[in-house]
Amino acid sequence: AQSVTQLDSQVPVFEEAPVELRCNYSSSVSVYLFWYVQYPNQGLQLLLKYLSGSTLVESINGFEAEFNKSQTSFHLRKPSVHISDTAEYFCAVTSGTYKYIFGTGTRLKVLA
Amino acid sequence: KAGVTQTPRYLIKTRGQQVTLSCSPISGHRSVSWYQQTPGQGLQFLFEYFSETQRNKGNFPGRFSGRQFSNSRSEMNVSTLELGDSALYLCASSLGPGTGHYEQYFGPGTRLTVT
Repeated sequence: AQSVTQLDSQVPVFEEAPVELRCNYSSSVSVYLFWYVQYPNQGLQLLLKYLSGSTLVESINGFEAEFNKSQTSFHLRKPSVHISDTAEYFCAVTSGTYKYIFGTGTRLKVLA
Repeated sequence: KAGVTQTPRYLIKTRGQQVTLSCSPISGHRSVSWYQQTPGQGLQFLFEYFSETQRNKGNFPGRFSGRQFSNSRSEMNVSTLELGDSALYLCASSLGPGTGHYEQYFGPGTRLTVT
């Protein structure tokens, strides 16, 4: 069975400061990993994905995540956050189907 | 390209009633999955359809069912509604198995309130 752990339920950070949202997974087989962002009263938006190849993946809005197989992690980072990054972030894992296992989410609150 | 659309966006039903939610995937996407999102249980997988066939099913009672049509549109049905069925129901579409693409794109969701 697979599982995803997002240890931080809430992360407050000041604007322009760096942030890291942690995601650890458990799986006995190879995995594909995703980060999604959810703004209030909206669906999930795909932020970035790791399918294969380079272990460092980047999004168009400055987020990046690094797949670390030995530590079974896929932490999300941004060097400088903006007020508009305030949202809930979900990490998800799959072993090759569309049946995702999601973490419990991390609420990022960017403070002015 | 238009995104995933879900109708209706909001729904209020009474215990014991049934409800049908609709999802239209992104054009060219052939796989549709459904998820339930609640504050207590988070995001949970309901089922996945491809080529009008259910390929995967989550751990939900038989009151939850779905189907997919030949144009890839999908519906999910919940019968004999319970208060605990109040949730945001999210539909996600993807290219489909065998394409090498495992990312899913989500719709805005249907907010179901059971009173």
